[in-house]
Amino acid sequence: SQQGEEDPQALSIQEGENATMNCSYKTSINNLQWYRQNSGRGLVHLILIRSNEREKHSGRLRVTLDTSKKSSSLLITASRAADTASYFCATDAENRDDKIIFGKGTRLHILP
Amino acid sequence: DGGITQSPKYLFRKEGQNVTLSCEQNLNHDAMYWYRQDPGQGLRLIYYSQIVNDFQKGDIAEGYSVSREKKESFPLTVTSAQKNPTAFYLCASSITGQGETQYFGPGTRLLVL
Repeated sequence: SQQGEEDPQALSIQEGENATMNCSYKTSINNLQWYRQNSGRGLVHLILIRSNEREKHSGRLRVTLDTSKKSSSLLITASRAADTASYFCATDAENRDDKIIFGKGTRLHILP
Repeated sequence: DGGITQSPKYLFRKEGQNVTLSCEQNLNHDAMYWYRQDPGQGLRLIYYSQIVNDFQKGDIAEGYSVSREKKESFPLTVTSAQKNPTAFYLCASSITGQGETQYFGPGTRLLVL
């Protein structure tokens, strides 16, 4: 069952530009997470934002959460070639027995 | 070095064969998970375990089996009943399994001969 859905599916930007990815979800959550996956590798946790938080920063990453719209955004500022990866949002759901559900991801490509 | 390891990196399965994917963690995490990822897709939960000697089916458990005899280890067997096993398999762990951060291994790519 799909909970989180990222938008866009793919994004190409020039190095140095900002990249914004969005995630929408369907049911109430306790927290939302963003992960990065380099091609052929495991996922790496980036940031977790709780339902009572509206914005969180980590280095060049900025995550916002709007629980009224059931949506979140991930902003990567001053993008670098090394940011080329797939980015997934993951949500727990209040009735999902503590499991988290991943979206299909946004494939980000940073052009030199 | 603390972390989560998976082996092998690549695995080939013949028709009618069962194969086992290894997942080990030394993070002292209670919860462990197995996911399947198909090309261009997100992760789908196969099985998860929140404590030793206990595990639950995820969304796509048919054709798979697991065991959790030790806290550190959560092997996944892909049985011959799984008719479309070609995929990238990811193992993860978390401290308590309460919907918090998961730590992933490097993955095993399973191919059918």
